[in-house]
Amino acid sequence: GAVVSQHPSWVICKSGTSVKIECRSLDFQATTMFWYRQFPKQSLMLMATSNEGSKATYEQGVEKDKFLINHASLTLSTLTVTSAHPEDSSFYICSARSSSYNEQFFGPGTRLTVL
Amino acid sequence: GENVEQHPSTLSVQEGDSAVIKCTYSDSASNYFPWYKQELGKGPQLIIDIRSNVGEKKDQRIAVTLNKTAKHFSLHITETQPEDSAVYFCAASRGGGTSYGKLTFGQGTILTVHP
Repeated sequence: GAVVSQHPSWVICKSGTSVKIECRSLDFQATTMFWYRQFPKQSLMLMATSNEGSKATYEQGVEKDKFLINHASLTLSTLTVTSAHPEDSSFYICSARSSSYNEQFFGPGTRLTVL
Repeated sequence: GENVEQHPSTLSVQEGDSAVIKCTYSDSASNYFPWYKQELGKGPQLIIDIRSNVGEKKDQRIAVTLNKTAKHFSLHITETQPEDSAVYFCAASRGGGTSYGKLTFGQGTILTVHP
């Protein structure tokens, strides 16, 4: 149990385009999903917290107009990187938290490369 | 906010030896401390966690200890195997309030187990 999937696993796009990343909890309902960014050889940095049916809460320094988050159901959250630039290239990882426990289960990550 | 420090940044051991990774945290309200294993190009995988009402937890070759007074917790891996080689992250989280469920990660430890 507790499986979280992400799609796509990797994506290459041109500068200025938008990219959407999906995060799904496959076998449990997640009232909260989290989006992280990880640069090479670095730790995970929380970008935003996404609660089902409400607006996401962004961490300081994260542009909410650039990283659009939608959490439309208890099993799906999406992150859209708008007007992507090469500096947005990174490993984006989502996690989902069970409504009953504190544990977070992580997705496999999405490698974004912006040319 | 919470700050988690993790040491060492790299750890090299011989197969069969034990490995210990230590973390300290700053927020006395933190009460959930998970450990994650991350292999190259993949998302973090929860390997063990401990809550503040427990001092030690064991799962086969893996154990975690928590000292609330000193605000530090440690991961112990016994009888290490080459497949234990990965990056290990500690994290801390508090229950309740606006920070509920938010994980703060340590910097990570690259563990290499030599056959």
